[in-house]
Amino acid sequence: DAKTTQPTSMDCAEGRAANLPCNHSTISGNEYVYWYRQIHSQGPQYIIHGLKNNETNEMASLIITEDRKSSTLILPHATLRDTAVYYCIVRDSYSGAGSYQLTFGKGTKLSVIP
Amino acid sequence: DAGVIQSPRHEVTEMGQEVTLRCKPISGHNSLFWYRQTMMRGLELLIYFNNNVPIDDSGMPEDRFSAKMPNASFSTLKIQPSEPRDSAVYFCASSGGTLGGVGELFFGEGSRLTVL
Repeated sequence: DAKTTQPTSMDCAEGRAANLPCNHSTISGNEYVYWYRQIHSQGPQYIIHGLKNNETNEMASLIITEDRKSSTLILPHATLRDTAVYYCIVRDSYSGAGSYQLTFGKGTKLSVIP
Repeated sequence: DAGVIQSPRHEVTEMGQEVTLRCKPISGHNSLFWYRQTMMRGLELLIYFNNNVPIDDSGMPEDRFSAKMPNASFSTLKIQPSEPRDSAVYFCASSGGTLGGVGELFFGEGSRLTVL
């Protein structure tokens, strides 16, 4: 399974865009990139996922490089409530059982500063 | 939708006691996952079920751990006997992913276990 590399921590000023990088240089052609976040003492929360194209939803944007070896999660206007650990995950191979599993790494601790 | 419901939220027990954690997945979801989170090891997948059948239990630490899913709306994770190193937050998650699909995981709020 492809592994990911993320910075351990980042700071972002409130109201500014938060750009969280992720390296996944060994990603294979059928593997998706997922982003989850975990606010303190809560369960992880899905943010967004993508395969090749850039994606945007109400929470964030996901920019995937053309070679798919890296991606960036963008929170356009960070708020204090966005302070959390952000996980970049490459989906494990399809299990063949109609299910899938996600392997979480250490993630990036994002601190949004007033 | 009530989301994934876990109980108990907090459990404090003594070494050697049996611990049972419970999970009710989101109605209609066909996959269920048990994760464990510690400071040292982060989030680890213990086991996951698809259509109530265990698919991969390679993450279960040892024979003291067992998980069941008797029906689509209920799962248990049991530790017997419990040890202090089992202290962690245990998360249950469910997914409605279709065959080969990419459904997201919905996590419960976790069960914080402390074994003294």
